[in-house]
Amino acid sequence: DTAVSQTPKYLVTQMGNDKSIKCEQNLGHDTMYWYKQDSKKFLKIMFSYNNKELIINETVPNRFSPKSPDKAHLNLHINSLELGDSAVYFCASSHLAGLNTGELFFGEGSRLTVL
Amino acid sequence: AQSVTQPDIHITVSEGASLELRCNYSYGATPYLFWYVQSPGQGLQLLLKYFSGDTLVQGIKGFEAEFKRSQSSFNLRKPSVHWSDAAEYFCAVVPYSGNTPLVFGKGTRLSVIA
Repeated sequence: DTAVSQTPKYLVTQMGNDKSIKCEQNLGHDTMYWYKQDSKKFLKIMFSYNNKELIINETVPNRFSPKSPDKAHLNLHINSLELGDSAVYFCASSHLAGLNTGELFFGEGSRLTVL
Repeated sequence: AQSVTQPDIHITVSEGASLELRCNYSYGATPYLFWYVQSPGQGLQLLLKYFSGDTLVQGIKGFEAEFKRSQSSFNLRKPSVHWSDAAEYFCAVVPYSGNTPLVFGKGTRLSVIA
């Protein structure tokens, strides 16, 4: 059983399109995250939700909209895709304490390529 | 500025040799410290963590790390590297201020040669 699963694993699309990445965790965690990993492997937090409520929203263009229908799911929708959005997007989860303890469980990533 | 620094972008070691990956942080107080590993095409996995207490911490896969407050360092070590250890290694911190997300260094890529 995959603990944190993301779909799709690969996504190739044209500039200007809208796309979504889905994430589900079966660990019973109440906090979920989206991280972006750029071409130089640098990882940066984008969003964090706790029990469907947004708790961290870093400086991210408002073309990116996270949605958490329940505490086991956190989806990422991206409007009007740009070349610079090409990256690997990682979903992660933790107990709320994980926000302080740093013990996150990551999915395998979704590689987005914008042409 | 507050940061996590991994000075080595890429390290190559021979199988069976010892390994040390460097990590330095610059925060006012000692943050919580972590090492994560990312195998090719995979997500990140927690190797070990330091919150307080014994400054030498043991992790999974035979890794250990030593916290040195005087040097603001948290270096990762392994006495004998296996080919399967080839991966990207990330040092990370949770700043002491709390309720702040995990902040990653830029990673060190480890290659293992026969």
